[in-house]
Amino acid sequence: QSALTQPASVSGSPGQSITISCTGTSSDIGNYNYVSWFQQHPGKAPKLMIYDVSNRPSGVSYRFSGSKSDNTASLTISGLQAEDEADYYCTSYTSSSTWVFGGGTKLTVL
Amino acid sequence: EVQLVESGGGLVQPGGSLRLSCAASGFSFSTYWMYWVRQAPGKGLVWVSHIGGDGSGANHADSVKGRFTISRDNFKNTLYLQMNSLRAEDTAVYYCVRDLRMGPWGQGTLVTVSS
Repeated sequence: QSALTQPASVSGSPGQSITISCTGTSSDIGNYNYVSWFQQHPGKAPKLMIYDVSNRPSGVSYRFSGSKSDNTASLTISGLQAEDEADYYCTSYTSSSTWVFGGGTKLTVL
Repeated sequence: EVQLVESGGGLVQPGGSLRLSCAASGFSFSTYWMYWVRQAPGKGLVWVSHIGGDGSGANHADSVKGRFTISRDNFKNTLYLQMNSLRAEDTAVYYCVRDLRMGPWGQGTLVTVSS
């Protein structure tokens, strides 16, 4: 049950776009479309941003989008805003009938 | 409105036990898979366990297998996590989650294992 691999930090200026990668294996991301992305502000519970690789729940800004290629999923945030500064986590279902999270990425809006 | 309210956290000595509860409302509880996810102080999210809507399909992370047991009472709309033989490394905020693909998440309950 090794964690998915995310960059520890990413940054961007307001208005720019950034992408956060989430790399797994053929036993998780590569074999299932059950990849979700969560945003977490300090002291708060995680909030769903993307589910099933690329679906955006109602109420989440169109600026957030998800994709997947082979064993790597990605979250792209366009038109960065100050309120996007947070920690972001990916998660995937696995072939062991478990779930695995990424280590988290701290997004800084410069 | 969907609500998940965790309770039962607190300070416990190493080797001790706690039972966490998650009271669910605003949705048909018995039709959803439910999950426990934890987050140690300053660390990332870790899946702990999950259970099917009818109580089947329970599974636990290797780090807690044999010590933690997930269960549910669909009459009381409540999810449980029985935690035995607690260790310092189990110290974390424990979140109750409806359907990990989509959430939502509860606000969490803090478990501190320390002497």
